[in-house]
Amino acid sequence: NAGVMQNPRHLVRRRGQEARLRCSPVKGHSHVYWYRQLPEEGLKFMVYLQKENIIDESGMPKERFSAEFPKEGPSILRIQQVVRGDSAAYFCASSPRDSGGYTFGSGTRLTVV
Amino acid sequence: GENVGLHLPTLSVQEGDNSIINCAYSNSASDYFIWYKQESGKGPQFIIDIRSNMDKRQGQRVTVLLNKTVKHLSLQIAATQPGDSAVYFCAENIPTSGTSYGKLTFGQGTILTVHP
Repeated sequence: NAGVMQNPRHLVRRRGQEARLRCSPVKGHSHVYWYRQLPEEGLKFMVYLQKENIIDESGMPKERFSAEFPKEGPSILRIQQVVRGDSAAYFCASSPRDSGGYTFGSGTRLTVV
Repeated sequence: GENVGLHLPTLSVQEGDNSIINCAYSNSASDYFIWYKQESGKGPQFIIDIRSNMDKRQGQRVTVLLNKTVKHLSLQIAATQPGDSAVYFCAENIPTSGTSYGKLTFGQGTILTVHP
């Protein structure tokens, strides 16, 4: 029973490129969450999605960032025209319906050079 | 509220001692709290949770205490082991319309170091 799978584990992008981060939730989980973590800080909420729906995107920057969770396939966090300030660890979590204590993936560490 | 810390609080203990990690949360409307452990290079790992209608919950070697009057949460680890060394985060859930759980607000974290 695999947990939350994120890939890639490490991603290096030059300024101005696009970054695509993938998250496959625990099998059977229909809720996905994305968080960002800067060094020596706690995780900051970005977006909460259910299949094909964005439920809460209050933590997403207004520009360059988007997220989706299609009917089939993984959830994708997309960052366009990356800047150095986007360098961080991005964590995905999933939960089954009406449950707390959800499961986190191991994260994608994005470095913008 | 936001917790932005340049230097995380640290706690150093000897193996076998009991550890207490504290957390002040921000919103009196929060109804659910979780403690996570995060090891270097890994994602947060669920330790224990507690709902706001409780003031204490026990797990294996861990106990969470909730004081809603002063908005304080603590994690007690009994007989701390070197494998417990990690960063510990508390997180609170603030209910939003139409959802049970979703957006967690994390504290800044505490670095626990256990010396053999």
